[in-house]
Amino acid sequence: NAGVTQTPKFRILKIGQSMTLQCAQDMNHNYMYWYRQDPGMGLKLIYYSVGAGITDKGEVPNGYNVSRSTTEDFPLRLELAAPSQTSVYFCASSTTGGATGAFFGQGTRLTVV
Amino acid sequence: QKEVEQDPGPLSVPEGAIVSLNCTYSNSAFQYFMWYRQYSRKGPELLMYTYSSGNKEDGRFTAQVDKSSKYISLFIRDSQPSDSATYLCAMSGVSGTYKYIFGTGTRLKVLA
Repeated sequence: NAGVTQTPKFRILKIGQSMTLQCAQDMNHNYMYWYRQDPGMGLKLIYYSVGAGITDKGEVPNGYNVSRSTTEDFPLRLELAAPSQTSVYFCASSTTGGATGAFFGQGTRLTVV
Repeated sequence: QKEVEQDPGPLSVPEGAIVSLNCTYSNSAFQYFMWYRQYSRKGPELLMYTYSSGNKEDGRFTAQVDKSSKYISLFIRDSQPSDSATYLCAMSGVSGTYKYIFGTGTRLKVLA
């Protein structure tokens, strides 16, 4: 049971490039989330999904896109990378959508130069 | 005003001390409360979750919720150097939403 798996672990992007951060969970959780974590700023919600085919914006969605075609996968797409997107990105999943906490992946450390 | 406030620390304590970590919140609609531990360069790890006001105990950890004061706490008894990490509180359960709102985290150092 791997839990929540994120790939890649590290990535350096040039300004204007695009990339997809992958997230997969094997717990059959309906709810999935993408957060970014900046020093001293806590975790900010980018997008979340309540099930396959359903996504919604969080606090900081600009510059990102998501899709949810299966229960297991929730990729995050960065279009036209900017230095402000330098951050650590965490994917999480939950069985209850709020009542019992979420399980996090190990993160993707992204630097945009 | 932030929805969830948490003192960033760092908080340094000697090994064996009782640690108290706290969060305050402004939205009285929050129903569920969680504590996470995050080691450096790792993902947050769920420690405890609770729903009602009162105490919930799990080993050396006790979570306390006071909804009337909009205040939650995590107590760590007999603290160990391995407890050195950042502790994040989180809240959820506003009707019609499925989002977790996190505090900024408190960095804890337990000195051997």
